[in-house]
Amino acid sequence: DVKVTQSSRYLVKRTGEKVFLECVQDMDHENMFWYRQDPGLGLRLIYFSYDVKMKEKGDIPEGYSVSREKKERFSLILESASTNQTSMYLCASSFRSGGRSLSYEQYFGPGTRLTVT
Amino acid sequence: AQSVTQLGSHVSVSEGALVLLRCNYSSSVPPYLFWYVQYPNQGLQLLLKYTTGATLVKGINGFEAEFKKSETSFHLTKPSAHMSDAAEYFCAVMDSNYQLIWGAGTKLIIKP
Repeated sequence: DVKVTQSSRYLVKRTGEKVFLECVQDMDHENMFWYRQDPGLGLRLIYFSYDVKMKEKGDIPEGYSVSREKKERFSLILESASTNQTSMYLCASSFRSGGRSLSYEQYFGPGTRLTVT
Repeated sequence: AQSVTQLGSHVSVSEGALVLLRCNYSSSVPPYLFWYVQYPNQGLQLLLKYTTGATLVKGINGFEAEFKKSETSFHLTKPSAHMSDAAEYFCAVMDSNYQLIWGAGTKLIIKP
């Protein structure tokens, strides 16, 4: 079974703090994604990575950065947290082009609910 | 560019009634389509997917969806709703870069 884990389920931080959200997958997936989920807005892509040390901006990258030093690990960084970054953050992974099994779906972690006060 | 529209942010059905969640997509290439479910305070879980072949796709928990090219639709159905089906459901289409384009989600409410 694919497993995507996220470092925290719930996190409370103060405005201005630097925040690290960690994601680890164990399926040797090339692609990894960070989404933000807010009520009524669905999933919005923040950043994705298709290989180690590679990153691409998604739809809402402002205020965020990412790091991918190892294939299995993808970190989301909030350099200076603000209250409008209070949200649910979801990490996902997938094969780059379906892999040998032509499996195109993304596998999700349980999410981190971040509150910035 | 691809896009996904889910009709209805909330759908309410009685326990035992038919569940129908609507999804329409636009795609310039043959679409790969997905339905995911999210239970409260959890991540998303794949319900079913259409890539090629049979247009009626069966998934987990008794759900199924039919790909209708002429209608650009991929509606999700279940013959008889159960209380445990209460969740948020997301439809997605894969783009040419193997990424998923997401609908806004539909919250399914089950009335006893």
